Amino acid sequence: DTAVSQTPKYLVTQMGNDKSIKCEQNLGHDTMYWYKQDSKKFLKIMFSYNNKELIINETVPNRFSPKSPDKAHLNLHINSLELGDSAVYFCASSQEAGVSEQYFGPGTRLTVT
Amino acid sequence: QQPVQSPQAVILREGEDAVINCSSSKALYSVHWYRQKHGEAPVFLMILLKGGEQKGHEKISASFNEKKQQSSLYLTASQLSYSGTYFCGIDSGSARQLTFGSGTQLTVLP
Repeated sequence: DTAVSQTPKYLVTQMGNDKSIKCEQNLGHDTMYWYKQDSKKFLKIMFSYNNKELIINETVPNRFSPKSPDKAHLNLHINSLELGDSAVYFCASSQEAGVSEQYFGPGTRLTVT
Repeated sequence: QQPVQSPQAVILREGEDAVINCSSSKALYSVHWYRQKHGEAPVFLMILLKGGEQKGHEKISASFNEKKQQSSLYLTASQLSYSGTYFCGIDSGSARQLTFGSGTQLTVLP
């Protein structure tokens, strides 16, 4: 069974479009995260979500919005896509924020043309 | 603020040892270590918590110097499977989010 899954695995779209990436975890974890990994492999936290508390990294544009229908899901919605949004986006989860290991999903490679 | 990892890259022969360092300008609550192979997701290796608690794999060891705000990952008797990029992630305790370093690319040759 896949612990943390993401769909789609690849996403190619044009500038200005709106897209969503879905994430699901079956580990029963309380905290979920979204990371962005750019072409230089820099792994950057975007959001963490724990018991309906959303913590947003201040550098994330407001075109990005996480949506959590329930504890097992944290989707990422992106409005008005830009070329600089091209990256690999990883979803992750952990039992407790900061002190528990994080389990990463396989990643979604987003290419904006 | 992003922690600083060193070295940026290291090449080893099987059986050799390596040390990867991670330093922060902020006080640390915890340090996490992950390994990422090309085209794959990062995989958990170890957590070191303020106060001395550690959680991780048996074959991986690490140290955490709270006063110096540094952590080191020790890879002994390296195997081909150790190749990958190693990231340290620091939690300064406020937002309970990890800020990752820029990574150390480790290559183990036969």
